[in-house]
This record gives sequence, structure tokens and C-alpha cells, in this order.
Amino acid sequence: AQSVTQPDIHITVSEGASLELRCNYSYGATPYLFWYVQSPGQGLQLLLKYFSGDTLVQGIKGFEAEFKRSQSSFNLRKPSVHWSDAAEYFCAVGVHSGAGSYQLTFGKGTKLSVIP
Amino acid sequence: DTGVSQNPRHKITKRGQNVTFRCDPISEHNRLYWYRQTLGQGPEFLTYFQNEAQLEKSRLLSDRFSAERPKGSFSTLEIQRTEQGDSAMYLCAIAGPIGEKLFFGSGTQLSVL
Repeated sequence: AQSVTQPDIHITVSEGASLELRCNYSYGATPYLFWYVQSPGQGLQLLLKYFSGDTLVQGIKGFEAEFKRSQSSFNLRKPSVHWSDAAEYFCAVGVHSGAGSYQLTFGKGTKLSVIP
Repeated sequence: DTGVSQNPRHKITKRGQNVTFRCDPISEHNRLYWYRQTLGQGPEFLTYFQNEAQLEKSRLLSDRFSAERPKGSFSTLEIQRTEQGDSAMYLCAIAGPIGEKLFFGSGTQLSVL
């Protein structure tokens, strides 16, 4: 079965600093990988996805992520963090089930705090 | 706006009561999912609909849970005889055109007292 590990529960950065959120996955085949962001009391917004091809993917809000097969990682990065980026970030791996659904398995999330 | 509306946003109920949540995709989408998110965890898959057919259910979905999607449009999730362990955010999601991207609603936060 697939799994996702986000090693950092909580990260604090200063506004304007760079950011990297770590994600490691376990899956037997080439995965579909996602990063979602969730503001308090809200649903999840898709930041970016990796299906195939270029291992560096660009997303919304200035985020990017790099797929590294050798490390089973899909880390999220942003060169300069804004105060509005404070939220919880979830990495997910997507697989097709036998019943035809497409299921996402999420990590436990990393909470990002931004110091003005 | 993800194109998914969920009601109510918050629900507080007493243990043993029944509750029902509703999910309304703004436009027609064949594939609809329910996920549950407890505090400090990522969302977990509950069930999947293709049109009106419920094709897959997680083991998390006990007999007290039932979901429907009449006519393949809106969906409801009912929990009977609620327990404190049911307290969670219940998220509805629709699949994008090629199925692999999920777009989530804002969720219904359930608190069971």
C-alpha cells in the first residue's frame, strides 16, 4: 500500500525567506504526486501536481516541487515566503484502485508559520 | 472557488443523534468523493461515486455511515447514532476532466458532544 511521510510537523520561517517542505512517499510504481494547501477551517486547494515528464513542476502562488525518484521525494519549495502563505501543507500520492476510483493518500501535513 | 459547495459548514450534535451533510458540485461531474480529516491528520478516503453508483467504500465507513448520490448530481453523507470519534472535517471532492486531480469543497466540521 502507498504511504506519504511529511517529516516536519511545524515549520516557522521569516517573511521573505526561502522555504522547503519535505515529502517522502512509498509506492511500487511511478506515482502521481500532489501538494495541497489548507487554510484554517477550509478545504484543500491544489498547489501543483506531478504526473510524468519534467521532474520540476511549477504551481500556483510561486510554488514549485521537484520529483526525485532515487530519493522517493517530492519536496515543495518557494524562493520567498509571504505572510499569506501561512497555512497547512499536505503532500499526497494518487493511485487508481481496482474499483475504478482514484484515491489520494495524504501525509499528516506540515504547518507553516510566517514571522513578519 | 473549487466548484464544490458543502453544507452546513459547521455542525454540533449530541452523541447518539443522526446528522446529514450535503455536497453540491456546481457543474456536472461524474466522479465524486468523500474524505474525512481528523485533527492533526491528512484527509482519509471514505467513499467514491461514479455518477449515481457508489463504487467503493473504505473500511473507515462503518455501518452507521451511508452516502447517496441520487441522479448523479448532489451527494449526501449521513451518520447515524453519532459517536465522539466521528468528530472531524468531512470533505467532498470532485475529479477533474482526466480524473486524477481532485478539487475539494470547504468541508463540514462536525463536533459530537
